[in-house]
Amino acid sequence: GAGVSQSPSNKVTEKGKDVELRCDPISGHTALYWYRQRLGQGLEFLIYFQGNSAPDKSGLPSDRFSAERTGESVSTLTIQRTQQEDSAVYLCASSLRGATPGPEQYFGPGTRLTVT
Amino acid sequence: GESVGLHLPTLSVQEGDNSIINCAYSNSASDYFIWYKQESGKGPQFIIDIRSNMDKRQGQRVTVLLNKTVKHLSLQIAATQPGDSAVYFCAARTTDSSYKLIFGSGTRLLVRP
Repeated sequence: GAGVSQSPSNKVTEKGKDVELRCDPISGHTALYWYRQRLGQGLEFLIYFQGNSAPDKSGLPSDRFSAERTGESVSTLTIQRTQQEDSAVYLCASSLRGATPGPEQYFGPGTRLTVT
Repeated sequence: GESVGLHLPTLSVQEGDNSIINCAYSNSASDYFIWYKQESGKGPQFIIDIRSNMDKRQGQRVTVLLNKTVKHLSLQIAATQPGDSAVYFCAARTTDSSYKLIFGSGTRLLVRP
């Protein structure tokens, strides 16, 4: 079956531009996570969606970052006025249920964002 | 706060040997730990997990050991194969939520033929 997909796979943008990254979770997965992975680093939690509950946005690094999710399907992560330090791989993951990540959490391949 | 670190950025092993990747965590209240494998251009893949009420858990060719006294965990891979070449991350669940993890920076495992 289809896994988590993300688009675009690569995005190069100029400093100051806005970008929108898309995540399509596995069908039926109620929980969706966004992470940021800087070069040579581990993942940083950004935001968590669970069903119709209010998302946990506590990991978003600044108000230039926002994310939306349409019901229990696609999610978009938007970065406004991009800065060079935003360059990273942005990973999305989904799981059938919320709570603890683990064997039931599946990651997408990520979007590599480069801000020039 | 929580931080998770790894002792070595790169580990090179001979094919067929056993590999041991180490990880230290700082928050003694962390109660759940995960090891991930990440191949180039892909998202992390779950390998094995362990809860703090255990000190050892085994999977297929992998074993995770947890030493809560010194806040250390390790991943052992038996009979390392070329397909094991990847970056390995440990992650610890934070104490303020059931779904937030603190990730280490990763160890790159290189398998020599």
